Amino acid sequence: AQSVSQHNHHVILSEAASLELGCNYSYGGTVNLFWYVQYPGQHLQLLLKYFSGDPLVKGIKGFEAEFIKSKFSFNLRKPSVQWSDTAEYFCAVNPQGAAGNKLTFGGGTRVLVKP
Amino acid sequence: DGGITQSPKYLFRKEGQNVTLSCEQNLNHDAMYWYRQDPGQGLRLIYYSQIVNDFQKGDIAEGYSVSREKKESFPLTVTSAQKNPTAFYLCASSQDRDSPLHFGNGTRLTVT
Repeated sequence: AQSVSQHNHHVILSEAASLELGCNYSYGGTVNLFWYVQYPGQHLQLLLKYFSGDPLVKGIKGFEAEFIKSKFSFNLRKPSVQWSDTAEYFCAVNPQGAAGNKLTFGGGTRVLVKP
Repeated sequence: DGGITQSPKYLFRKEGQNVTLSCEQNLNHDAMYWYRQDPGQGLRLIYYSQIVNDFQKGDIAEGYSVSREKKESFPLTVTSAQKNPTAFYLCASSQDRDSPLHFGNGTRLTVT
């Protein structure tokens, strides 16, 4: 079975700082990769996804993620964060070809951006 | 607006009682899912259903049951057999297996 690790449980940074959240997965085959975000008081929503092609994907609100197959990683980045980026971020993996959409989520990273 | 409605937002039950959490979607999605969210553990899949009258166990199905009698509804019952039922429960749906999940706002269940 696949697993997903997010290295940081909590991140605190100031506005305009750069953000990088680590995500590593364990699965031997081809995967679909996702980052979801949960803003305070809101439901989980998709930030970006990677299925194939260019390993650098861009999502909403200036976020991007890079898939490095050799490292089994899918790190999320944003060059300059805003206070409104305060949220919990989840990396998720879904093996291609698997029956059903059995997304496996990482433990999440809580990001606090100080104004 | 299309979306997923989970009710109630907060639920309190005594130990030993079964409790059913509601999940309704008007997105016309075929697939529906139940996840449990615990601090530091991310979301763990309880059950999922790809089509009406069919559902499969996820990673932590013990102590839970579901039904899928209608496309738009996927209720989850937390039975007295679930050893640690206090948690935040999220329902989701998707058009197909490669589409992103749409989540509800969740139900926080507290069992004392």
